[in-house]
Amino acid sequence: GENVEQHPSTLSVQEGDSAVIKCTYSDSASNYFPWYKQELGKRPQLIIDIRSNVGEKKDQRIAVTLNKTAKHFSLHITETQPEDSAVYFCAARPESNFGNEKLTFGTGTRLTIIP
Amino acid sequence: NAGVTQTPKFRVLKTGQSMTLLCAQDMNHEYMYWYRQDPGMGLRLIHYSVGEGTTAKGEVPDGYNVSRLKKQNFLLGLESAAPSQTSVYFCASSYGSWAGAIADTQYFGPGTRLTVL
Repeated sequence: GENVEQHPSTLSVQEGDSAVIKCTYSDSASNYFPWYKQELGKRPQLIIDIRSNVGEKKDQRIAVTLNKTAKHFSLHITETQPEDSAVYFCAARPESNFGNEKLTFGTGTRLTIIP
Repeated sequence: NAGVTQTPKFRVLKTGQSMTLLCAQDMNHEYMYWYRQDPGMGLRLIHYSVGEGTTAKGEVPDGYNVSRLKKQNFLLGLESAAPSQTSVYFCASSYGSWAGAIADTQYFGPGTRLTVL
């Protein structure tokens, strides 16, 4: 099955600086890669996702890049703000096969923005 | 719309007791999932369902059973609770493959914090 590794497990950055979280996956059949943000005591929520036919995707201050050859993808947050402090999870899923839509999650990165 | 709801929010059990966690969604989603979240372990899939009346095992199914008798509800049962099942349990739902690209987003419930003594 799929195995997703996520690094680093904790990350502290100064407010206004950029943060980068990296994930690697093992199943070359994976083609969907979402990122979820979980604030303290809250539920995970999707913030951005990318499919294997795209190398990069941006949404305001967040972006995700994908390197299918190397089997890794990254989350980039620019101009970080205090409200970006949370735990971020990457995930991967093999190509949709009607009933095979199972996500494998990474172990999470706790991002702390230092004011 | 309430989205995905879970009951109860908190529960304390003694070893050997049983309980059922209820997940309900009002988004007409086909797919529903149960995850457990432990420190440093991320979200691990317990069981999932791709439609009413169907269930399948995930990554960590042992000690749990599920049922999906109605499309909007997904129940997670612990027949004989063990301290190793102390965790935060999240339910999630999504549209499913038939809906195309929008099928991918999983919407999570607020979670149930379970402690087994």
